[in-house]
Order: sequence, then C-alpha cells, then structure tokens
Amino acid sequence: DIEMTQSPSSLSASIGDRVTITCRASRDISTFLNWYQQKPGKAPKLVIYGASTLQGGVPSRFSGSGSGTDFTLLISRLQPEDFGTYYCQQSYSSTFRYTFGQGTKLEIK
Amino acid sequence: QALLEQSGAEVKKPGASVKVSCKTSGYTFTNHDINWVRQAPGQGLEWMGWMNPNSDYTGSARKFQGRLTMTRNTSISTAYMELSGLRLEDSAVYFCARRLAYWFDSWGQGTLVTVSS
Repeated sequence: DIEMTQSPSSLSASIGDRVTITCRASRDISTFLNWYQQKPGKAPKLVIYGASTLQGGVPSRFSGSGSGTDFTLLISRLQPEDFGTYYCQQSYSSTFRYTFGQGTKLEIK
Repeated sequence: QALLEQSGAEVKKPGASVKVSCKTSGYTFTNHDINWVRQAPGQGLEWMGWMNPNSDYTGSARKFQGRLTMTRNTSISTAYMELSGLRLEDSAVYFCARRLAYWFDSWGQGTLVTVSS
C-alpha cells in the first residue's frame, strides 16, 4: 500500500499567520492527493482534492500544491476557525485503497 | 446534497461482531462507492475498505481482510459494515463516506464502537 507521511505532527500558529503542512507519498501519486480538515467530535471535511482544487465553500485562503511525491497545504492568513487536524489522503491506488497520512494538529496560539 | 446517517453507538465484548449501518439520501445510492474509515481515540484516520453498491464488489485494507464484511440494501439506500472477532483495539469511531470521483465528499456522523469485557 502507498504510505503517506505528514509533517509536522502538530503546530501552533497565530491568527493571520501563514501556515504550511506537508505530505509525502511513498511513491509517485501524480496529483491524486486530497486534504481534509477534522474538528474534535466531527467527521472530516474535504478541503482540497486533486492536490490543488478547492472544494466548494472552502475559503480561498486555503490552497494546495504539489505532484509526484511531495505536497503542500497552505493557509495564507490563519483564522480562528481553521483549528483542527488536517489529513492528507492519496487516491492513486488502482484498487481504491485510499490511505491517509497520520494527521497534523493545528492549534491557534 | 448527499446525506449519510449512521446507526447509534454500540458496546460489544471481545470476540463479538458489530454491524454499523449508513443510510444515504439526496443522491442515487448505486452511483457512488461507500468507504469505511475508523478513528481510534486520540488517533488518526484509518481507511478500512470500500464497497460498490451497484456491483457489490468490495475491497479492504489487508489488516481487516477476513474480519470485515461490507454489504448493502439498495432498496433502502443503506450500506453496512460488519467487523467480526472484535478486539479491545477495535474500539473507535467508525465513519462511512461517499466516494465522488477520487475523493470522499460526504461523510456520516460517525458511530462509536466500544469493545470492553
């Protein structure tokens, strides 16, 4: 199976900061990479799909980039509602085994 | 829009089985795979398996093969996930999610399964 590794595991940032979360795949996954945000006690919410396409309703301060094995989620100006845990997910697997990264917990200072 | 509603919390003993339902609405059930994802307390998301409601084809993560059964009832647009041989470490919140193209765009609210002797 394709393994996904995120960094950092956690971070603390201030309102208005620029925040970057990275995700690395164990092999080339082209742009089959998705990002989800999860808040405590809630289901994950799709933020970005196809590495860089913003899901409808998601603020434009979120952006994604990358291809191959290295990907980035950028929050340009952090807002209080952006706290939570972010997960990357590969969707390259031909057998539909869409594995997740271990998550990055984002806390607001 | 797509809505996925899951069954309520369960408490099971080790060795037992649990069956979680995921009732869908707002779209054509047979047009999209249903995936199952779980999250142990304080841990990350773990993909478990998928089911095609039209063909009944399934696929699962290797660690669940032999214990995970995914089924559906198309007449009521509902998917089911059954996990057998429960262990303490199977205690988790279990989510169903709809696959739209190559991503999961709609999720159920989660079902807490507690395995305790």
